[in-house]
Amino acid sequence: EPEVTQTPSHQVTQMGQEVILRCVPISNHLYFYWYRQILGQKVEFLVSFYNNEISEKSEIFDDQFSVERPDGSNFTLKIRSTKLEDSAMYFCASRAGPSGSTGIQYFGAGTRLSVL
Amino acid sequence: EDQVTQSPEALRLQEGESSSLNCSYTVSGLRGLFWYRQDPGKGPEFLFTLYSAGEEKEKERLKATLTKKESFLHITAPKPEDSATYLCAVQPGETSGSRLTFGEGTQLTVNP
Repeated sequence: EPEVTQTPSHQVTQMGQEVILRCVPISNHLYFYWYRQILGQKVEFLVSFYNNEISEKSEIFDDQFSVERPDGSNFTLKIRSTKLEDSAMYFCASRAGPSGSTGIQYFGAGTRLSVL
Repeated sequence: EDQVTQSPEALRLQEGESSSLNCSYTVSGLRGLFWYRQDPGKGPEFLFTLYSAGEEKEKERLKATLTKKESFLHITAPKPEDSATYLCAVQPGETSGSRLTFGEGTQLTVNP
């Protein structure tokens, strides 16, 4: 069964360092997302990406964040200068097409980011 | 602003003891309501999508229903393997990015 793959599963970094979280969405999916979940809190939307551009972003997704689809299979989230409060589980999701039966977002297992 | 409130926060059941989880929502033009299951340290796993009031979906021991203001996830004769956090999320109709807004979740524990 196709699945969204995220690497690494756990990333430890020092405050102020740049990190890149990687995702391989389900093949043939067209819409890509990043969400985060701070420990003990709800899942929060960060950004959606379609046709090589951001289609929507939340207030959390400030200038320190960027996304990229560098090739036909990978989707990345970059945090330019990490802060302690960036520590969270980051989930990548993808969906096939417009809303309807194909509007389901499928999530990866997540990358746990720990900023020290 | 879209809001999703789930209750109860935690629910402990005996195996075979049926119950329901609630998801109340406010959203600008609901495009879809989603139920996910999340196991500790894992990503949300899709369960159901509901699109219009009156709609119902079933899968094994789970049944999801939808009204104009809330959704219920009914669990019939649960088993210990149903223990997980159940997340409700809404997708507003007016956005281009189809973001999901999640509730805090209901942590379900089913004891043998």
